[in-house]
Amino acid sequence: DAMVIQNPRYQVTQFGKPVTLSCSQTLNHNVMYWYQQKSSQAPKLLFHYYDKDFNNEADTPDNFQSRRPNTSFCFLDIRSPGLGDAAMYLCATSRGTGGLYEQYFGPGTRLTVT
Amino acid sequence: SQQGEEDPQALSIQEGENATMNCSYKTSINNLQWYRQNSGRGLVHLILIRSNEREKHSGRLRVTLDTSKKSSSLLITASRAADTASYFCATVQAGTALIFGKGTTLSVSS
Repeated sequence: DAMVIQNPRYQVTQFGKPVTLSCSQTLNHNVMYWYQQKSSQAPKLLFHYYDKDFNNEADTPDNFQSRRPNTSFCFLDIRSPGLGDAAMYLCATSRGTGGLYEQYFGPGTRLTVT
Repeated sequence: SQQGEEDPQALSIQEGENATMNCSYKTSINNLQWYRQNSGRGLVHLILIRSNEREKHSGRLRVTLDTSKKSSSLLITASRAADTASYFCATVQAGTALIFGKGTTLSVSS
């Protein structure tokens, strides 16, 4: 029944060591999003894909990259994690954009940087 | 930047009481959504209200929208311990993606 799956649920990486978080969906939605959420804060949108069209938020650091090889999968790459990148990373999907559709969220990956 | 601002930041009530959370936003919107997040989990969509709607119900949830005041409220009636969570409003700012407010943390004690 899982619709948006994130792996791993917990990830520990070392300062400066590249890390990849993965997200997959069984909903066949056009849009996939990546959010960063730090403790007691709102989810902050990093970027989203509408099909293969990549949309980067203006204030997303270059250290964060994303790939969407097909409809079902989307990856978040952090090229050189810093201590400030420790957070929960949430993947979400929706049928479309413009706020007209609800978003379906995965359970998140909690990233620790040592 | 954040489009929505929830108020209060934290709310503690007893089971059976009603909980009201407010959201204010800055720019014109087409619709507004509310989400719930249990501790350490992903968000769950609760309700979407369009800009031409003033009130919407879903079970024990009631959402109102006042576009003239750029504000929305979420009322949870007869609250339960399981309602303990953070609640976020979300709107579309510039562009096409939802932007979430800071959230209200609700604690319901039995």
